[in-house]
Amino acid sequence: GIQVEQSPPDLILQEGANSTLRCNFSDSVNNLQWFHQNPWGQLINLFYIPSGTKQNGRLSATTVATERYSLLYISSSQTTDSGVYFCAVAAFKGGSNYKLTFGKGTLLTVNP
Amino acid sequence: KAGVTQTPRYLIKTRGQQVTLSCSPISGHRSVSWYQQTPGQGLQFLFEYFSETQRNKGNFPGRFSGRQFSNSRSEMNVSTLELGDSALYLCASSLEGQADKFFGPGTRLTVL
Repeated sequence: GIQVEQSPPDLILQEGANSTLRCNFSDSVNNLQWFHQNPWGQLINLFYIPSGTKQNGRLSATTVATERYSLLYISSSQTTDSGVYFCAVAAFKGGSNYKLTFGKGTLLTVNP
Repeated sequence: KAGVTQTPRYLIKTRGQQVTLSCSPISGHRSVSWYQQTPGQGLQFLFEYFSETQRNKGNFPGRFSGRQFSNSRSEMNVSTLELGDSALYLCASSLEGQADKFFGPGTRLTVL
């Protein structure tokens, strides 16, 4: 099956700093999503971005599908940005298989 | 529009018992999928339902089963619980299988 690798596994920042999280995947994908897992465990949708670039406030994401990677940018980080960020992909082979395959996540800690 | 809801939020069971978890998707969403999250294995796909049909199943033993009702609500059942079944169980819904997925708050199951 498809492999998803996220880097770095851990990241510690001071409030106000910028960061870039990376997601590499091993095959062509039809779906790529970035999530932030809150302290209670819920996965919060950040971006649906199988290709191209999107921005939402201080967050932006870029997926280069031909090179099989995606980047999540967090600017002017705040303590509330702390948590685990997941990249998840899906590859629709033969018109089926809609499951998301998740990376292991990046644990982001933003210190005041 | 209300988000994905899951009940119960927390559950404590003993080995050998069975458990049923419930998921109500976002109104209008017809695809429901389930994921298990553990510290050791991360987020893993359990199964996906669309219009009451299971379309895809992950690599889990037959003790894990599910179903979807005509109103798109879904249940998953785990029989003969084992200690290793302790996990956060997350449900996701989407308009169609290939669309972006939205997750519920999860059910945290503890098996003693």
